[in-house]
Amino acid sequence: AQSVTQPDIHITVSEGASLELRCNYSYGATPYLFWYVQSPGQGLQLLLKYFSGDTLVQGIKGFEAEFKRSQSSFNLRKPSVHWSDAAEYFCAVGGPGGSYIPTFGRGTSLIVHP
Amino acid sequence: GAGVSQSPSNKVTEKGKDVELRCDPISGHTALYWYRQSLGQGLEFLIYFQGNSAPDKSGLPSDRFSAERTGGSVSTLTIQRTQQEDSAVYLCASSLAPGQAEKLFFGSGTQLSVL
Repeated sequence: AQSVTQPDIHITVSEGASLELRCNYSYGATPYLFWYVQSPGQGLQLLLKYFSGDTLVQGIKGFEAEFKRSQSSFNLRKPSVHWSDAAEYFCAVGGPGGSYIPTFGRGTSLIVHP
Repeated sequence: GAGVSQSPSNKVTEKGKDVELRCDPISGHTALYWYRQSLGQGLEFLIYFQGNSAPDKSGLPSDRFSAERTGGSVSTLTIQRTQQEDSAVYLCASSLAPGQAEKLFFGSGTQLSVL
């Protein structure tokens, strides 16, 4: 069965600092991996996705993520965080080798200090 | 419509009452998903509809939960005899076709509070 682990419930960073949110997955084949962001009162918005090819993927709002098969990880990074990045971040896995219904992690809440 | 619409945005109910939550997917989207977001629990898959195929109900937590999708468009999630542990945000999402998780569009959700 596919699953996603986001080990950090909360992450606090200062504005301008770098950010890394961790995501580990379990999947029986090459996964499709996703990061979504949920701002307060908003629906989930796709930040970026990995299907195949280049393991470093770029997304919107200056975010990037790196797929590491050997570590079963897909960590999200941003070199300089803005106050508007404060939100809930969800990692998800799905794809043709398992279930097309995406499985989500429990989320990481990002708090940004001025 | 322009996006996935859910109603009501907030619902407060008493324990034991039935509730209905509505989802209007994006026009033309054949795949529709319901998820539940509980505090600290992330998104929990509930049910998936794809066209005229039988829905995937594998995520429904109990027989108090049911959902239907009429005419391949609007979907209603019904929770009977609500319990306090049903309190959560219920999210609906749709995509143009199955297997397009990268093109999943989410509604803003219904916040359900069971007193």
